[in-house]
Amino acid sequence: EAQVTQNPRYLITVTGKKLTVTCSQNMNHEYMSWYRQDPGLGLRQIYYSMNVEVTDKGDVPEGYKVSRKEKRNFPLILESPSPNQTSLYFCASSSVQGGVTEAFFGQGTRLTVV
Amino acid sequence: KQEVTQIPAALSVPEGENLVLNCSFTDSAIYNLQWFRQDPGKGLTSLLLIQSSQREQTSGRLNASLDKSSGRSTLYIAASQPGDSATYLCAVTSDTGNQFYFGTGTSLTVIP
Repeated sequence: EAQVTQNPRYLITVTGKKLTVTCSQNMNHEYMSWYRQDPGLGLRQIYYSMNVEVTDKGDVPEGYKVSRKEKRNFPLILESPSPNQTSLYFCASSSVQGGVTEAFFGQGTRLTVV
Repeated sequence: KQEVTQIPAALSVPEGENLVLNCSFTDSAIYNLQWFRQDPGKGLTSLLLIQSSQREQTSGRLNASLDKSSGRSTLYIAASQPGDSATYLCAVTSDTGNQFYFGTGTSLTVIP
């Protein structure tokens, strides 16, 4: 089954404690991206990756890092989380070949930073 | 910068009604437009994808149209059912295909 898998689904952490949210896709997609969703603001793109070792900033990259060492994985790293990073996070992947970029989303990670 | 707006923000209709959700975007240089459904606390499920060269797409009771030149898309839901209750999001892809821009969604409630 084609899917994007995020872990963990729920996470409560303290300010300053480094954390990683993993994202994996099994569709051999080149493109992967991370979003955060906040009430009234909708989904905003944090980082995206066009392929292995190619990453770029989205609209709200401050406080986040990513890496793309393998095609299937795109972890989101918060080196020093702060309460304003409390949010619902989504990972997505899509193929950029053939002129179609249909996006597939993971189930989300609800992060609370206290 | 691309801005995507969805109107209305919330909609409540009785079961069986046909309804239209609206999405507008400021930059017509898009790669495609995608409609999603999101249930509370859940991820996004893709409903319809319209490529920039297309005018509409249909799937079951859903029909999405795209007027790229005017920066508008509509999602038509026929014979609404309580199970259609969810938030509906539209997203446009930049013309380079590497950035997605989302609207803030329309929260739909279908009353039995």
